[in-house]
Amino acid sequence: ILNVEQSPQSLHVQEGDSTNFTCSFPSSNFYALHWYRWETAKSPEALFVMTLNGDEKKKGRISATLNTKEGYSYLYIKGSQPEDSATYLCALGSGQGGKLIFGQGTELSVKP
Amino acid sequence: DSGVTQTPKHLITATGQRVTLRCSPRSGDLSVYWYQQSLDQGLQFLIQYYNGEERAKGNILERFSAQQFPDLHSELNLSSLELGDSALYFCASSVRDSGNEQFFGPGTRLTVL
Repeated sequence: ILNVEQSPQSLHVQEGDSTNFTCSFPSSNFYALHWYRWETAKSPEALFVMTLNGDEKKKGRISATLNTKEGYSYLYIKGSQPEDSATYLCALGSGQGGKLIFGQGTELSVKP
Repeated sequence: DSGVTQTPKHLITATGQRVTLRCSPRSGDLSVYWYQQSLDQGLQFLIQYYNGEERAKGNILERFSAQQFPDLHSELNLSSLELGDSALYFCASSVRDSGNEQFFGPGTRLTVL
């Protein structure tokens, strides 16, 4: 059974702080790694899809890196804002069609 | 708004009943996915259809079934409902059958009493 682990489970930061989260996955089963942002009462929104070892993606203040050999991805948020408060999910593409295996998420709370 | 629509938004029913959840993908997307979000679980993949054919299957219960129609909308049928089936059911769509981002609908909140 493929397992995707995210840490920390939750994070509370002050506005302006930079922060990062980790997603770990079995390196032998890598196909693609997805990051999603999920705000309360909304639906998950895609941030990045990463497929190559060493991939780095950026969208505004949010960026992500990927290491498929050691089985981890980092998501960074620079200068957190209250509107960044959400649960950040990573998901492993299993290679079985588009099936995604999601981690439990990191819940980020940014206080003004 | 992702462009994926799901109906109904909320559904309350009794144990033993059968319900149908409906999903319309974004225009141009051929893949439809169904996920379940229970209180004590993360997002669990149920099933994927690509252009009308089943493409991938997760731990979907035998009481659950799905299909994708020629117009590419999809329905998830849940039968002999149990209390534990209460959950948020998401539909997502993507252009291809794998490797690209999935766009999630607003979800259907199912409550089984």
